[in-house]
Amino acid sequence: LAKTTQPISMDSYEGQEVNITCSHNNIATNDYITWYQQFPSQGPRFIIQGYKTKVTNEVASLFIPADRKSSTLSLPRVSLSDTAVYYCLVGDPNNAGNMLTFGGGTRLMVKP
Amino acid sequence: SAVISQKPSRDICQRGTSLTIQCQVDSQVTMMFWYRQQPGQSLTLIATANQGSEATYESGFVIDKFPISRPNLTFSTLTVSNMSPEDSSIYLCSGRDSNTEAFFGQGTRLTVV
Repeated sequence: LAKTTQPISMDSYEGQEVNITCSHNNIATNDYITWYQQFPSQGPRFIIQGYKTKVTNEVASLFIPADRKSSTLSLPRVSLSDTAVYYCLVGDPNNAGNMLTFGGGTRLMVKP
Repeated sequence: SAVISQKPSRDICQRGTSLTIQCQVDSQVTMMFWYRQQPGQSLTLIATANQGSEATYESGFVIDKFPISRPNLTFSTLTVSNMSPEDSSIYLCSGRDSNTEAFFGQGTRLTVV
């Protein structure tokens, strides 16, 4: 399984854009990149998934360069409620048995 | 996505006893997984709960300590057996199907005293 590397923590202020980069040098051809968000005392929650180039939804954008060895989760205009741990995972979504392996995650602290 | 109900949400147990955690999904899912999460740490996969057969355990986890059942496609249980304080942790169940994102229960916060 491809291993991911993320910064341990990041600080930001309300209203700023936050970019969290994830490294996944050994990503396989069938792997997608998926990001999850986890608040204290809750299970992780799906944010966004992509294979290449750019994906955008109502919550975030995901930028994936051509070599797919890294990806960047972009959170526009963060608020205090975006304070959470963000996990980057890689795997084949077409294989339901492909269990999710969580790396260390990035602890984002949004300050007023 | 589907919704997972996990219970109990928390418990305080005596060492040497066992606790069974239940995970109920509101729709059928192909795969279910059990994770452990120590405070402030990431999630560690314990096992894949296979419907109608024995669970598949990750390195460091054994069936005698963490027996798992999955009698159908919507329900699974994880038992933490012969508990010690080192088993104090958050236990989470997860479900997914092909071409869908994984979804998680709220977790069970276990404290062993």
